[in-house]
Amino acid sequence: GQSLEQPSEVTAVEGAIVQINCTYQTSGFYGLSWYQQHDGGAPTFLSYNALDGLEETGRFSSFLSRSDSYGYLLLQELQMKDSASYFCAVRDRRDDKIIFGKGTRLHILP
Amino acid sequence: GAGVSQTPSNKVTEKGKYVELRCDPISGHTALYWYRQSLGQGPEFLIYFQGTGAADDSGLPNDRFFAVRPEGSVSTLKIQRTERGDSAMYLCASSKGNEQFFGPGTRLTVL
Repeated sequence: GQSLEQPSEVTAVEGAIVQINCTYQTSGFYGLSWYQQHDGGAPTFLSYNALDGLEETGRFSSFLSRSDSYGYLLLQELQMKDSASYFCAVRDRRDDKIIFGKGTRLHILP
Repeated sequence: GAGVSQTPSNKVTEKGKYVELRCDPISGHTALYWYRQSLGQGPEFLIYFQGTGAADDSGLPNDRFFAVRPEGSVSTLKIQRTERGDSAMYLCASSKGNEQFFGPGTRLTVL
């Protein structure tokens, strides 16, 4: 089956850089996605990596290494509004099912 | 254009009752997903539609749960004989590629 592992919580300081890791086990998938969810809100799409390497979108970057079954989300110049939960997700190649990790709660200190 | 909408936003019901949760996807999105999310957890896959048909319903926990999408647009998640353990946020998402657009969810509480 498929499974994704990510740290349950990460704490960082405003203005700093933080990396949220995601390791996965799946027999085959199209790509790795990242979503942000604020308390009481719905998940919102951040990024998608189909190929190995780094994808940059403003302050957020995402990385994928298929050979290592590993990816990460990098957040730069942290702002208090970045306090949220972050989920990695994979779309299974066999059935198009999308599986989410349990999420990483990011706490930002002033 | 409008995003994904879900109704009702909140539903409180008694154990044993039947409930229906509705999802209106973004117009033109052929893929529609239902998830269940408990506090502190990630969205848990329930069922996925491609058009009118359920492409994968392996996430439905048991036969009390059923979902339809008769015209390939609006979808309804139906739960029979609700149990207290069904209490959660039910999320719907639609997509036309790699990005999923989530609705605001329906918070179901079973007393």
